[in-house]
Amino acid sequence: QSALTQPASVSGSPGQSITISCTGTSSDVGGYNYVSWYQQYPGKVPKLLIYDVTNRPSGVSNRFSGSKSGNTASLTISGLQAEDEADYYCSSYTSSSTPVLFGGGTKLTVL
Amino acid sequence: QVQLVESGGGVVQPGRSLRLSCAASGFTFSNYGIHWVRQTPGKGLEWVAVISYDARNTYYADSVKGRFTISRDNSKNMLYLQMNSLRPEDTAVYYCAKGLGPMIPLDYWGQGTLVTVSS
Repeated sequence: QSALTQPASVSGSPGQSITISCTGTSSDVGGYNYVSWYQQYPGKVPKLLIYDVTNRPSGVSNRFSGSKSGNTASLTISGLQAEDEADYYCSSYTSSSTPVLFGGGTKLTVL
Repeated sequence: QVQLVESGGGVVQPGRSLRLSCAASGFTFSNYGIHWVRQTPGKGLEWVAVISYDARNTYYADSVKGRFTISRDNSKNMLYLQMNSLRPEDTAVYYCAKGLGPMIPLDYWGQGTLVTVSS
């Protein structure tokens, strides 16, 4: 089972909005509303940002939002801040023999 | 607060075995599925395995199926990963992570333990 497809890198300036895509298939992203997003700083543990496509855990800034269209999920970060510079991973439930998939990760650079 | 603490990592030769442990606290361990996720240094996350809250159901990534076994002891709040026939490509930091729902998302992660498979 291939990993979900994310862009290797994205960048934006402070105050701007950026979107990170996560493309799968109808057997994973497109078939279930079980997409989650994680933020990871270098040398640190992943942190849950978004779950079930659009839900934010308590304590996560509302600058982070999630959506899905067809087989592609998206993470949008609005009002970009320097502290948002990190790696971002999507994950989805899948009906395949491997029930959980991660994306390859996207490195966000704040210019 | 929720804590997950992994242990058991180290350097092991190809073909040998290793058992990882994860000690959980701060939540009702027996109510949640728990996962193992690994990350090759400098690379991305790879899901490895999950065990249901009652240990009745286990699922594995194709890359480890038949070699790794996930188990848990709810009386001790402990999670385990028995890794057999280790390969160099199994080298990674292994995280245990608590599931929020029946499968994903993973809402709490341990700090990880490094496994290096090398001769």
